[in-house]
Amino acid sequence: KQEVTQIPAALSVPEGENLVLNCSFTDSAIYNLQWFRQDPGKGLTSLLLIQSSQREQTSGRLNASLDKSSGRSTLYIAASQPGDSATYLCAVFGNEKLTFGTGTRLTIIP
Amino acid sequence: GAVVSQHPSRVICKSGTSVKIECRSLDFQATTMFWYRQFPKQSLMLMATSNEGSKATYEQGVEKDKFLINHASLTLSTLTVTSAHPEDSSFYICSAYKGGGNPYEQYFGPGTRLTVT
Repeated sequence: KQEVTQIPAALSVPEGENLVLNCSFTDSAIYNLQWFRQDPGKGLTSLLLIQSSQREQTSGRLNASLDKSSGRSTLYIAASQPGDSATYLCAVFGNEKLTFGTGTRLTIIP
Repeated sequence: GAVVSQHPSRVICKSGTSVKIECRSLDFQATTMFWYRQFPKQSLMLMATSNEGSKATYEQGVEKDKFLINHASLTLSTLTVTSAHPEDSSFYICSAYKGGGNPYEQYFGPGTRLTVT
């Protein structure tokens, strides 16, 4: 059974800092990995999707990497802004289903 | 685009009643839709996979007689919570495959907050 873990569970950083969120998964037989953000009481916003054959994807200030063999992914956020405050979820697709991680609640301090 | 809508966004119902939640793919056809639930401060848990024109596949521990899923068309799936109880209060989110493009990428609806009193 796939298990996805995100560390830390919560993170607070001053505005302007760069930061890294971590995601690990137990079964490396995945098709892709996706990072989402979720604002309180809201649905999911897809940030980046990395295919299993890819190593990283970039979108603006966000960069996600994938090391499938070690079961790890990181989401790098550059020059953080208060608007980045949200819960970030990673999810892996394998065995015909998407398994979500436990999430990291990020707070950017102005 | 790949837009998925859900209706209603919020619903309050009394214990023992049933409530239906709709999930629509607005600008694409979705042969497969998924239903998730999310308890406060927890992650999303897959409830069932719904394929158009066939019975839904439920995850272990999800009562299929309580959570009725119908996927009657390529753009609409419904989740009916029957005889709702307070412990069914949760955030329900659907998603859909668009097909083509990135394989296996799911597009998510905005969610439905269900409160059972």
